[in-house]
Amino acid sequence: NAGVTQTPKFQVLKTGQSMTLQCAQDMNHNSMYWYRQDPGMGLRLIYYSASEGTTDKGEVPNGYNVSRLNKREFSLRLESAAPSQTSVYFCASSEGRGAQETQYFGPGTRLLVL
Amino acid sequence: GENVEQHPSTLSVQEGDSAVIKCTYSDSASNYFPWYKQELGKRPQLIIDIRSNVGEKKDQRIAVTLNKTAKHFSLHITETQPEDSAVYFCAANSGGSNYKLTFGKGTLLTVNP
Repeated sequence: NAGVTQTPKFQVLKTGQSMTLQCAQDMNHNSMYWYRQDPGMGLRLIYYSASEGTTDKGEVPNGYNVSRLNKREFSLRLESAAPSQTSVYFCASSEGRGAQETQYFGPGTRLLVL
Repeated sequence: GENVEQHPSTLSVQEGDSAVIKCTYSDSASNYFPWYKQELGKRPQLIIDIRSNVGEKKDQRIAVTLNKTAKHFSLHITETQPEDSAVYFCAANSGGSNYKLTFGKGTLLTVNP
């Protein structure tokens, strides 16, 4: 039981390049989330998926797109990376349909945009 | 939307002392308040949470208190140990959406041996 996994662990991009961050969970959770963490800013919600087939914007969605590929997988895409997107990205999942439950985080992806 | 303020941003204590971290929130409809601990280079992990129908919850050396009237909640760690050193985040759900957590900016707790 691996929990929440993310790939890649590290990535360096040039401005304007695109990439997809992958996230998968094996806990049969319904809800999945993407956060970014910047120094002194806490965790900010980018997008979430309440259940398979649905996605919704969080606090900072601009510059990102997401896909809930199936119940297990939730990907985050940067179409044209900008230096402001340099951050640590965390994926999380929770069992039910709501934020009133424990969110289990993945190990994170460190992204540097030059 | 929800706004969560967390204080202090850094806290240094001696081993065995108590530590208190405070958070305020803005959305009166918020009803779920978790606390996450993040060790250096690791992922955040839930350590305790409280719902708005209770005023206090305790789990061994950790306790959380909630004052709904004043819209603030606090994390209390007693008999601190070096392994308590980490960044702690408070959070509150957004009453209008049951899926969103708004996090505070974090408190770096250092426990000195």
